[in-house]
Amino acid sequence: AQSVTQPDIHITVSEGASLELRCNYSYGATPYLFWYVQSPGQGLQLLLKYFSGDTLVQGIKGFEAEFKRSQSSFNLRKPSVHWSDAAEYFCAVGTDSSYKLIFGSGTRLLVRP
Amino acid sequence: DTAVSQTPKYLVTQMGNDKSIKCEQNLGHDTMYWYKQDSKKFLKIMFSYNNKELIINETVPNRFSPKSPDKAHLNLHINSLELGDSAVYFCATSTTSAGAREQYFGPGTRLTVT
Repeated sequence: AQSVTQPDIHITVSEGASLELRCNYSYGATPYLFWYVQSPGQGLQLLLKYFSGDTLVQGIKGFEAEFKRSQSSFNLRKPSVHWSDAAEYFCAVGTDSSYKLIFGSGTRLLVRP
Repeated sequence: DTAVSQTPKYLVTQMGNDKSIKCEQNLGHDTMYWYKQDSKKFLKIMFSYNNKELIINETVPNRFSPKSPDKAHLNLHINSLELGDSAVYFCATSTTSAGAREQYFGPGTRLTVT
């Protein structure tokens, strides 16, 4: 069965610094991969997705992620973090055989002024 | 114009009561989901309907019963509420077009059982 691991529960960065949030998945074939962001009291917003093709995908709000099959990873990056990026970030994996998404446990991003 | 809406946004009720949460989408998607997010932010799928047919039914107490009156609506009815049912419940939608798997989420319903 597929699974998703987000090894960092919390990450704190200074405003203007770069960011990388880690995500590792377990699935035998090529997965569908997603990053979502959840601001306090809000629903989940899709940041970006990977299905196939170019392994570096661009998303909204200046985020990008890179699919590395050899490392079973799909890490999220942003070159310069803004205070408004403080939120909970979820990585998710889907497959061809099911419409179910499996979510990681989330990483809470805190931004220092 | 909200794509996925849920009512109510907050629901406070006592143990043993029966309550419903409603979800409506105007995206024209054919698949809808209910997720439960616990106090540690862990998200777990509960149910999914495709064209009004139940396609995912995870291990959920049978006190929870989803109902899809049409493709744009998915409701969640909960009988005999328990303290452990306190959580945020999210509705989500997707389309089954080839290659599409992304889901779009509603704002959530925070259920508090006292």
